[in-house]
Amino acid sequence: AQSVTQLGSHVSVSEGALVLLRCNYSSSVPPYLFWYVQYPNQGLQLLLKYTSAATLVKGINGFEAEFKKSETSFHLTKPSAHMSDAAEYFCAVNYAGGATNKLIFGTGTLLAVQP
Amino acid sequence: NAGVTQTPKFQVLKTGQSMTLQCAQDMNHNSMYWYRQDPGMGLRLIYYSASEGTTDKGEVPNGYNVSRLNKREFSLRLESAAPSQTSVYFCASSGGGPLHFGNGTRLTVT
Repeated sequence: AQSVTQLGSHVSVSEGALVLLRCNYSSSVPPYLFWYVQYPNQGLQLLLKYTSAATLVKGINGFEAEFKKSETSFHLTKPSAHMSDAAEYFCAVNYAGGATNKLIFGTGTLLAVQP
Repeated sequence: NAGVTQTPKFQVLKTGQSMTLQCAQDMNHNSMYWYRQDPGMGLRLIYYSASEGTTDKGEVPNGYNVSRLNKREFSLRLESAAPSQTSVYFCASSGGGPLHFGNGTRLTVT
């Protein structure tokens, strides 16, 4: 069965520092991978998605993620953290494909940004 | 630009009571989903509907029922609420691309 593992339930960085949020997937076939962000008291918003077109995926708000098949990883990065990046981030994998688009989510990483 | 609308935003139930969570989307999406979010567990799929007239179980369907009333609306019903169903419930829809989420319903069962 497909699954995703997010290492680190809480990550704290200083404003202006590199953000690195880790995600590893397990899949017997090339997956579709997603990063979502959740701000307090809101639903999830799509940050970016990997659909096999390019291994380096750029998303909104300066975030990007690199698909590394050899490491089964899809880590999320941002060169310089901003206070507004404080939120919870979820990695997800599509395990049905096609129009059904059912997602399995990781347990989430709460990002804190210190001034 | 309403997107996915969930009602109510908050609800407190006593054990054994029933209630229905409502969800509507205005994006003409075929697929709709219900997830629950619990601390440290991420989001888990309860039920989904790939198209109008069809529903299927997800990872954690026990204690829930759903109705795809029409293309726009997908409701989640708790027939006899239990404290283990205390959670934040999210509805989502998709037209084949990424999921679009509502803002959630925070349910407490005492």
